[in-house]
Amino acid sequence: AQSVAQPEDQVNVAEGNPLTVKCTYSVSGNPYLFWYVQYPNRGLQFLLKYITGDNLVKGSYGFEAEFNKSQTSFHLKKPSALVSDSALYFCAVRDMEVPYSGAGSYQLTFGKGTKLSVIP
Amino acid sequence: SQTIHQWPATLVQPVGSPLSLECTVEGTSNPNLYWYRQAAGRGLQLLFYSVGIGQISSEVPQNLSASRPQDRQFILSSKKLLLSDSGFYLCALKNRRRGYNEQFFGPGTRLTVL
Repeated sequence: AQSVAQPEDQVNVAEGNPLTVKCTYSVSGNPYLFWYVQYPNRGLQFLLKYITGDNLVKGSYGFEAEFNKSQTSFHLKKPSALVSDSALYFCAVRDMEVPYSGAGSYQLTFGKGTKLSVIP
Repeated sequence: SQTIHQWPATLVQPVGSPLSLECTVEGTSNPNLYWYRQAAGRGLQLLFYSVGIGQISSEVPQNLSASRPQDRQFILSSKKLLLSDSGFYLCALKNRRRGYNEQFFGPGTRLTVL
């Protein structure tokens, strides 16, 4: 079974400082990893994904994430936080080893979310 | 580009009343469709997913049901709402073509059961 952990319920960072939102995962094989952002009363927006290739993945709004296989982590980062980055962030995983044609083969498992607050 | 519509945006219903939430998608065909519930602004719980018309899989036992009468329509229903059904309901799709791995989410429906 696949699982995702976001160890921090909330992260506070000053505007202009670098930010990190942590995510660790557990899958039986190689993972597909995703980050989503949710603004209040809105649906989730896709930020970035890791499928294969470079461990550093760049996504929307200046965010990037680093895949670390040995630490089973996929932390979200941004060099300089903006107040507008304040939102709820979700990490998600899918086990690549699940058969492509299976009925449930595209299920994502989401973390519980981390609330990011960027302080002016 | 693909678009997900959810209707209504907000809903207040009494306990014991029926429910029907609608999700329609555009810009894609034969997608996988999903219903999630998010309680208290945190955490996503997968309720149902569908890989095709009439094909519904349920992830958790509950008094909700889902139907997919058309390829691009996904409906969440209940015959009698419970207080615990309150939450933010999100519809999502996944393009089934190879190389498309992420899910895309609709704007959500805020349901309050009183």
